[in-house]
Amino acid sequence: AQSVAQPEDQVNVAEGNPLTVKCTYSVSGNPYLFWYVQYPNRGLQFLLKYITGDNLVKGSYGFEAEFNKSQTSFHLKKPSALVSDSALYFCAVRGWGTGKLIFGQGTTLQVKP
Amino acid sequence: EAGVTQFPSHSVIEKGQTVTLRCDPISGHDNLYWYRRVMGKEIKFLLHFVKESKQDESGMPNNRFLAERTGGTYSTLKVQPAELEDSGVYFCASSQNQGPSSYNSPLHFGNGTRLTVT
Repeated sequence: AQSVAQPEDQVNVAEGNPLTVKCTYSVSGNPYLFWYVQYPNRGLQFLLKYITGDNLVKGSYGFEAEFNKSQTSFHLKKPSALVSDSALYFCAVRGWGTGKLIFGQGTTLQVKP
Repeated sequence: EAGVTQFPSHSVIEKGQTVTLRCDPISGHDNLYWYRRVMGKEIKFLLHFVKESKQDESGMPNNRFLAERTGGTYSTLKVQPAELEDSGVYFCASSQNQGPSSYNSPLHFGNGTRLTVT
């Protein structure tokens, strides 16, 4: 069965510090991995994706994510956090041969000034 | 281009009543998905339309939920009769391509409908 785990309900970082939001996955075949962000009272916005190729993918707003096949992880990172990055972040996987996304439970990122 | 729009943004109904949620996908997008997030939990897949056909409805919780997409444009999700556990945020998403080429395409989400059943 396909699944995604985000082990942290909340991540707190100080502005200017690097941030990491963790994600691990379980899927048959090659995974298609995505990160989305949700700001209050808004829909999910696409940040980045990994399909194939370079394990480090870059996305919107300075975010990047590192695909690690041996650890089945796809952690979201940013070198220097902004207060405006505070939001709810979702990791998702699309398994081979399916169009639907399987989401993790979300991680709230709180960046303090 | 206009994004995915959902109506209403909020709905508060009593247990046993009926509610219909609407989603207008991005024009030209054949794929339309419904998802639901119950408070604090993961976003769960409900079903997937390709044009007017139901491609995958494996996530529909029970027969109180009915989704339609007549004409392959907008979609409705009806809950009848509503129960307390149906409360949550219902998201609609769309994407353009069909088949395997759609698998690496991100989904475009609406702002969701927050449903509260009292």
